[in-house]
Amino acid sequence: SAVISQKPSRDICQRGTSLTIQCQVDSQVTMMFWYRQQPGQSLTLIATANQGSEATYESGFVIDKFPISRPNLTFSTLTVSNMSPEDSSIYLCSVGSGKADYTFGSGTRLTVV
Amino acid sequence: KQEVTQIPAALSVPEGENLVLNCSFTDSAIYNLQWFRQDPGKGLTSLLLIQSSQREQTSGRLNASLDKSSGRSTLYIAASQPGDSATYLCAARGTQGGSEKLVFGKGTKLTVNP
Repeated sequence: SAVISQKPSRDICQRGTSLTIQCQVDSQVTMMFWYRQQPGQSLTLIATANQGSEATYESGFVIDKFPISRPNLTFSTLTVSNMSPEDSSIYLCSVGSGKADYTFGSGTRLTVV
Repeated sequence: KQEVTQIPAALSVPEGENLVLNCSFTDSAIYNLQWFRQDPGKGLTSLLLIQSSQREQTSGRLNASLDKSSGRSTLYIAASQPGDSATYLCAARGTQGGSEKLVFGKGTKLTVNP
């Protein structure tokens, strides 16, 4: 399975600012996925990031709020823009395809004050 | 739209007990089903992956079964240990439209008491 390095592991941010989360994979992957886990809740898919094309966003998530970059097959970033306390969550990136296990980064715990 | 449900939401057992966690899904057209473990404030660790053509998978003290027709999966943990305390998540991967995404249940929070 792929190994994912995600950073930062945690951050405390002021409302109205933006935070960019990075994920680096140790192998080339076609698709990367970004999830949000709100306190006490399960994971919700934000978007699927394909290299060389626009990310595909799930219902309820928009590019202006969660812009994603995918410059190559091993790297992606998710930005949480104009943050509010409601954005306080754990954000996770993931890779997986075919019959392989999905693997996840270690997560970014974001607190907005 | 796929929905995944996990029962119970929380479970507390004494050390050494065998236990079963349940997962159900509404759309049986799944590609596979995966069980994860999540420690507080951390990412997810993959435990077992069951392909749609398989009935069960085993790893150490863990055994996961899959019954696609009834939309159910179970995770069996033998001889539980305090180190097994965590939240266990199941996730179904759909097949419709070539979707690769996982749909997660809300998890079962397991506490194993010494």
